[in-house]
Amino acid sequence: DQQVKQNSPSLSVQEGRISILNCDYTNSMFDYFLWYKKYPAEGPTFLISISSIKDKNEDGRFTVFLNKSAKHLSLHIVPSQPGDSAVYFCAASAPGNNDMRFGAGTRLTVKP
Amino acid sequence: DTGVSQDPRHKITKRGQNVTFRCDPISEHNRLYWYRQTLGQGPEFLTYFQNEAQLEKSRLLSDRFSAERPKGSFSTLEIQRTEQGDSAMYLCASSSRGGKAFFGQGTRLTVV
Repeated sequence: DQQVKQNSPSLSVQEGRISILNCDYTNSMFDYFLWYKKYPAEGPTFLISISSIKDKNEDGRFTVFLNKSAKHLSLHIVPSQPGDSAVYFCAASAPGNNDMRFGAGTRLTVKP
Repeated sequence: DTGVSQDPRHKITKRGQNVTFRCDPISEHNRLYWYRQTLGQGPEFLTYFQNEAQLEKSRLLSDRFSAERPKGSFSTLEIQRTEQGDSAMYLCASSSRGGKAFFGQGTRLTVV
């Protein structure tokens, strides 16, 4: 069962513009959400996270928004840079569970 | 200690052979996870250790798979009688209590 869904397999944006990556989840028990970035031939790298007690978390160019009622979160990257081109995974975990559930990923391409 | 280390990075094996992968987590992390990632999918949880205890196993972990973490430090994942469907990237991650997980670069297994 796909509890975390990233419905856009790819996204292409121009350098300097905003990138918005979306993620939906179905399990209302999830209370901690993370975004990972993955370059080819490397493991996922942690980017930013948000707890369900918040609706926004910002770290430099990266902001994650959480809409609990819609079971939706998004990652905003502004301004986008060519080095941001990678696959972005959304992940979620529930209290007492030791595994993170990942979405299938969105491949972001930032064009110079 | 600069991060999670996995060995080997690549493994090609013939169907029916056994393979073993190693993961060295970040030294102060007591939690260790194994994930599997196939093309076009996000990482799928396989198993979880807290110190030396294997506390959770996914249904994906068939009886041909076994994982150990004998001294609560490094971990091994063994696949017996490999099948072509086992071809994937095997990712190891570690975390401290309540912290985000850090991934290694993965071991890419190809079963021919």
